[in-house]
Amino acid sequence: GENVEQHPSTLSVQEGDSAVIKCTYSDSASNYFPWYKQELGKGPQLIIDIRSNVGEKKDQRIAVTLNKTAKHFSLHITETQPEDSAVYFCAASADNYGQNFVFGPGTRLSVLP
Amino acid sequence: NAGVTQTPKFQVLKTGQSMTLQCAQDMNHEYMSWYRQDPGMGLRLIHYSVGAGITDQGEVPNGYNVSRSTTEDFPLRLLSAAPSQTSVYFCASSAKNEQFFGPGTRLTVL
Repeated sequence: GENVEQHPSTLSVQEGDSAVIKCTYSDSASNYFPWYKQELGKGPQLIIDIRSNVGEKKDQRIAVTLNKTAKHFSLHITETQPEDSAVYFCAASADNYGQNFVFGPGTRLSVLP
Repeated sequence: NAGVTQTPKFQVLKTGQSMTLQCAQDMNHEYMSWYRQDPGMGLRLIHYSVGAGITDQGEVPNGYNVSRSTTEDFPLRLLSAAPSQTSVYFCASSAKNEQFFGPGTRLTVL
């Protein structure tokens, strides 16, 4: 089955700096890769996603890149703000509708003022 | 829309007790799922349903039962609680990729 690894497990950056979180997956059939943000005491919330036919996607300060050959994808957050502090999860899915996800273990991001 | 709602928010059980975690969604989504979240392990899929009357096992189904009699509701039953089931449980519903998660139920089994 699919296995998703995520690094680093914790990340501290100064406010205004960039943060990068990397994930690798094992199943070459995976074709949908979402990123979730989880704030304390809440459920995960989708922040950006990418499909296997696209190499990069950007939404304001957040971007995701995908390298299908190497089976890895990354989340990039620029101009970090204290409200970006949270746990971030990557996931991979090979379903047609991307519904059976395998999640990475998470990265705790702290943005220091 | 309330989105995905879960009850209770917190629960403490003794080993061997049974209980049902409730999940409901008002978005008319066909797909619903249950995950457990343990420290350092991300979210792991317990059971899922692709529509009313259809359920299937995920990665960690042992010790849990589900049923889906309506589109809106997807309860998760613990048959005989064990300390290893201490976790935070999330219900999610989705239509075409984006999963919407509930606020979670924190379960402690003593």
